[in-house]
Amino acid sequence: GAVVSQHPSWVICKSGTSVKIECRSLDFQATTMFWYRQFPKQSLMLMATSNEGSKATYEQGVEKDKFLINHASLTLSTLTVTSAHPEDSSFYICSARGPWDLTGADTQYFGPGTRLTVL
Amino acid sequence: GQNIDQPTEMTATEGAIVQINCTYQTSGFNGLFWYQQHAGEAPTFLSYNVLDGLEEKGRFSSFLSRSKGYSYLLLKELQMKDSASYLCAVGSIGNEKLTFGTGTRLTIIP
Repeated sequence: GAVVSQHPSWVICKSGTSVKIECRSLDFQATTMFWYRQFPKQSLMLMATSNEGSKATYEQGVEKDKFLINHASLTLSTLTVTSAHPEDSSFYICSARGPWDLTGADTQYFGPGTRLTVL
Repeated sequence: GQNIDQPTEMTATEGAIVQINCTYQTSGFNGLFWYQQHAGEAPTFLSYNVLDGLEEKGRFSSFLSRSKGYSYLLLKELQMKDSASYLCAVGSIGNEKLTFGTGTRLTIIP
């Protein structure tokens, strides 16, 4: 149980375009999802916490108008990188807070990640 | 705030045992997680500790001492596929987020 999918797995786009990344919990409902980015050989950096039916909570320094998050259902959250630029190229990973009974904790289960390259 | 410290890199030999340490400082401790991340892939959940002691799961064990703010991940009978980064993450009460350490890159050599 607790499988999270992410789509697309990789995307290449031109500077100035927008890219949407989807994160789905496949076999459980996730009221809370998280979006991270990771640069090569660095750890995960939390961008925002996404709660179903409400506005996302962004971490300090993350532009909410640039990284739009929508958590419209209990199984889907989307991240849209608007007007992408080369410095936005990164590995974007979502996670979903899994069912308590699996581990007895608020364990986060990660999607496979999306590698974004902006030319 | 929260502060998590773990070694940047470690090397170990196939078939041996390795211990990866993690120290943390946090207010309202609410559990410690270990994740494994292979290069270019997303992290996968390994273990969770909220009470003091050792949790064993096959070749992997995780230990926690809340009074010392200390945990370790123990990997036995190392295999080449265990080469990966190991991330220590801490939860805090009243906060949905996890704070991740920078990860320990473990290399297994024949």
